[in-house]
Amino acid sequence: AQSVTQPDIHITVSEGASLELRCNYSYGATPYLFWYVQSPGQGLQLLLKYFSGDTLVQGIKGFEAEFKRSQSSFNLRKPSVHWSDAAEYFCAVGPGGNAGKSTFGDGTTLTVKP
Amino acid sequence: DAGVIQSPRHEVTEMGQEVTLRCKPISGHDYLFWYRQTMMRGLELLIYFNNNVPIDDSGMPEDRFSAKMPNASFSTLKIQPSEPRDSAVYFCASTLGQGYTDTQYFGPGTRLTVL
Repeated sequence: AQSVTQPDIHITVSEGASLELRCNYSYGATPYLFWYVQSPGQGLQLLLKYFSGDTLVQGIKGFEAEFKRSQSSFNLRKPSVHWSDAAEYFCAVGPGGNAGKSTFGDGTTLTVKP
Repeated sequence: DAGVIQSPRHEVTEMGQEVTLRCKPISGHDYLFWYRQTMMRGLELLIYFNNNVPIDDSGMPEDRFSAKMPNASFSTLKIQPSEPRDSAVYFCASTLGQGYTDTQYFGPGTRLTVL
């Protein structure tokens, strides 16, 4: 069965500092991987996704993620965090295709200090 | 496009009452998902539809929950009777094409409180 682990429940960084949010997955084949962001009171919004090809994926809002098959990881990074990045971040894995379904991690809450 | 529309945004009801949540997906999208989000269990997929047909309802917690999609532009999630443990934020999402390979667009959610 597929699963996603986000080891950090809560992360605090200073504005302007770099950010890395961890995501580890378990899946038997090539996974389809996603990062979503949820601002307070809002639904989830896709930041980026990986299906195949270049293992470094660029997303919106200056985020990027790197797929590392050997480590079963898909960590999200941003070189310089802005106060508006404070939100909850979800990693998800899916098998792709019509019959599949995504599994979401428990989320990581990001707090940005001024 | 207005995005995925959900109503109501907030619902407070008493235990035993029937609750109906509504969702209008993005026009042209052929997949629709219902999720529930709580602090204890995180984000859970309840059911999803493809071309108005329920494909997988294995996430529906029990018979008190039912979902319908009478046409491509409308879906409902009904809880009857409601219980306090049903209190959660319910999200609807839609996508086009390959379902889980494509971006899911989430609505703003309905915050349900059952007293």
